[in-house]
Amino acid sequence: NAGVTQTPKFRVLKTGQSMTLLCAQDMNHEYMYWYRQDPGMGLRLIHYSVGEGTTAKGEVPDGYNVSRLKKQNFLLGLESAAPSQTSVYFCASSYRPEGWAHNEQFFGPGTRLTVL
Amino acid sequence: KNQVEQSPQSLIILEGKNCTLQCNYTVSPFSNLRWYKQDTGRGPVSLTIMTFSENTKSNGRYTATLDADTKQSSLHITASQLSDSASYICVVLYYNTDKLIFGTGTRLQVFP
Repeated sequence: NAGVTQTPKFRVLKTGQSMTLLCAQDMNHEYMYWYRQDPGMGLRLIHYSVGEGTTAKGEVPDGYNVSRLKKQNFLLGLESAAPSQTSVYFCASSYRPEGWAHNEQFFGPGTRLTVL
Repeated sequence: KNQVEQSPQSLIILEGKNCTLQCNYTVSPFSNLRWYKQDTGRGPVSLTIMTFSENTKSNGRYTATLDADTKQSSLHITASQLSDSASYICVVLYYNTDKLIFGTGTRLQVFP
């Protein structure tokens, strides 16, 4: 099993460009998440999904859109990239919702995005 | 404000030594507390998950403790190895929203 995979691993964009980050998981998990990690800050939730065809906003959703057309895939889109979106983006998935006592999230390797 | 603070920010130890990382949180009420290990350039990997009623949880050479009264947790690493060099992140699940609140991590470096 590959677990959680993310593509691409690195990307450089110019301000105003758009792109899509792809997350795929082969664990048949219902729940998927997108986080960003910035220096000196903890991971912050951007958007999440509780199942195929559903999405919801997290803590920092502005400037991002997501789609979950297939259970195994969760896409994160940047409509018009800004330098403030320079970050490392992590996708995660879990079998149960976060509120379950011993629910474990499995993270992908991350995508390092630079917006010039 | 719900926060998770970790100390120290960074730590250097020699291979074979023990160390303890601290986590203080103000998240209330909380459901559980987790410790993750994040290698450089990789995603976080779960080490332990403790509910509010658990005091200690071990995973090999890693032992986490939790004091819900003082809102403190620690991660003790025994007989450190070079592969323990990583960031260790404390995460608390906020009961009211079922959302995770992440600390900024402690960067541990183990030298031979």
